[in-house]
Amino acid sequence: EAGVTQFPSHSVIEKGQTVTLRCDPISGHDNLYWYRRVMGKEIKFLLHFVKESKQDESGMPNNRFLAERTGGTYSTLKVQPAELEDSGVYFCASSQGARDYYAYEQYFGPGTRLTVT
Amino acid sequence: AQKITQTQPGMFVQEKEAVTLDCTYDTSDQSYGLFWYKQPSSGEMIFLIYQGSYDEQNATEGRYSLNFQKARKSANLVISASQLGDSAMYFCAMGERDTGRRALTFGSGTRLQVQP
Repeated sequence: EAGVTQFPSHSVIEKGQTVTLRCDPISGHDNLYWYRRVMGKEIKFLLHFVKESKQDESGMPNNRFLAERTGGTYSTLKVQPAELEDSGVYFCASSQGARDYYAYEQYFGPGTRLTVT
Repeated sequence: AQKITQTQPGMFVQEKEAVTLDCTYDTSDQSYGLFWYKQPSSGEMIFLIYQGSYDEQNATEGRYSLNFQKARKSANLVISASQLGDSAMYFCAMGERDTGRRALTFGSGTRLQVQP
């Protein structure tokens, strides 16, 4: 079974440019999450999709970040315009629709390393 | 709000020995889950083990066990019989269970190096 995949693995862009990150969750997983780790700090939650709906976007830092999940399959995270402080590693994770309320182990992808210069 | 503290930025262990990675947490929730993830140099975050706050027994998964001490709010990861492939970053995380919120809160991580 294929794991969570992310593209690209690394992106270098200039301040003010736009970047779009893509995440393909594990097949059949209804839940998709975005996290990021900036400047060697803790991994921070950004948002959570259930199928195509945003369940929780409390971690989105500002309106320069736009996440979509059309059709409830893959997701994109667009940063526009990118700022220097956006540099870091962006992780995507997915989990099944819970068999019961407590089944929610999240499986992570390898991350996209974003460098804004 | 939830908080995870990992006080060991780096640890060394000899191959075949056991090692304990510390994790303490703070939460006002009565029901929560605790997770450990491994991040090797390839960058992928690998789920290792899960412990629910109401689980009476400590979770075990192969060579991994979670030493859960609820009163002390600690959830230490024990790796038995360390292998060279265990060298990686290890992250402790927690999530809510009383609500539908699924966001995980992570600690800063511990880098484990297994020496031959």
